[in-house]
Amino acid sequence: GNSVTQMEGPVTLSEEAFLTINCTYTATGYPSLFWYVQYPGEGLQLLLKATKADDKGSNKGFEATYRKETTSFHLEKGSVQVSDSAVYFCALSDLVWGNNRLAFGKGNQVVVIP
Amino acid sequence: NAGVTQTPKFQVLKTGQSMTLQCAQDMNHNSMYWYRQDPGMGLRLIYYSASEGTTDKGEVPNGYNVSRLNKREFSLRLESAAPSQTSVYFCASRERPSGTYEQYFGPGTRLTVT
Repeated sequence: GNSVTQMEGPVTLSEEAFLTINCTYTATGYPSLFWYVQYPGEGLQLLLKATKADDKGSNKGFEATYRKETTSFHLEKGSVQVSDSAVYFCALSDLVWGNNRLAFGKGNQVVVIP
Repeated sequence: NAGVTQTPKFQVLKTGQSMTLQCAQDMNHNSMYWYRQDPGMGLRLIYYSASEGTTDKGEVPNGYNVSRLNKREFSLRLESAAPSQTSVYFCASRERPSGTYEQYFGPGTRLTVT
């Protein structure tokens, strides 16, 4: 079935460093792709999305490009801040039995050190 | 707009006890979802309701029941709690069950079963 794979393990980096979190997907058809962020003690909130191939989603300095040829949607930020410390989830819309659901990756904990 | 609200925020149950987690949204969304979040497992879908009057099983429905009481409210019931149901539970809603629409999440309920 449709699924999302995120790179293993937490990510620890220094303030102002470049962040990349890898996300690859398996899907039939043409799913929409999302990145969600979860700050400590809170629910998930949408960070950005892309609905078709070659679209670039962007928000708060984060970017991700929908690459159909490599089935990827990697998240990047050029200069992270301590406030970016959170868990990041990649997700895709999953057309199952006529209803679109979101399939989530396992998430990556990002810790930014001052 | 309060968005998606969940009650209670925290709950401790003994094995075998029952309880109902409440969820409400004020965005006039058609679709609602219940997830559980466990360390290293990401988010797993328990049940969802594509529209008022319908409910369907997700990936991990065993031990749970749901009720879509009306368009605003979607409750999750544990009839006989087990330690394996210790988790953080998130409710989410979506305007329509369609690929491009994002899900909005509540703040979560932290449940411990002893």
